[in-house]
Amino acid sequence: DAGVIQSPRHEVTEMGQEVTLRCKPISGHNSLFWYRQTMMRGLELLIYFNNNVPIDDSGMPEDRFSAKMPNASFSTLKIQPSEPRDSAVYFCASSSGTGGSPLHFGNGTRLTVT
Amino acid sequence: SQKIEQNSEALNIQEGKTATLTCNYTNYSPAYLQWYRQDPGRGPVFLLLIRENEKEKRKERLKVTFDTTLKQSLFHITASQPADSATYLCALAEGGSYIPTFGRGTSLIVHP
Repeated sequence: DAGVIQSPRHEVTEMGQEVTLRCKPISGHNSLFWYRQTMMRGLELLIYFNNNVPIDDSGMPEDRFSAKMPNASFSTLKIQPSEPRDSAVYFCASSSGTGGSPLHFGNGTRLTVT
Repeated sequence: SQKIEQNSEALNIQEGKTATLTCNYTNYSPAYLQWYRQDPGRGPVFLLLIRENEKEKRKERLKVTFDTTLKQSLFHITASQPADSATYLCALAEGGSYIPTFGRGTSLIVHP
């Protein structure tokens, strides 16, 4: 298995632009997580999907952020409009969903908003 | 408030020694705790899981302990090697949600 695949690896954009991050989870995994990592705050959960349904989006910072999972093999995280404080590394992770199952992370998207 | 604390200072040790990393938590009742390794520019990689009713887990040169009274987990790497240099993250999840919350990680540097 290729593991969790995220694209793009790097994204540089100007403030106010729309940004879309993409994730392909491991086939057969029914849980998908979006995390954001910064030096100041570490890894923070943004949103959690189970069987393609958003279960917990309490970590989504504000309405500028939205996430979708239209099918079991694809998810997007969108920021519109982007702001410099959104600069971070965004990780997608998937798991089999049973309690204690390890999370399998992609290699992240490094977002820089100027 | 809930907190997961890992030493923010890097741990520097000599090759061959045992590295011990600490994860403390407050205001959590974890069902389990996990340890991950993260290399620069990569996503975290799962290493070990220990459940609330377990005291110790081992895997090759790795050992994890879990003390729910002290609210602490210790992560040990024996016979450390320069290749073990990385950031190590603990994550815990409470029963019911099973959504892992991560500490900020501790950087380990093993000197040859």
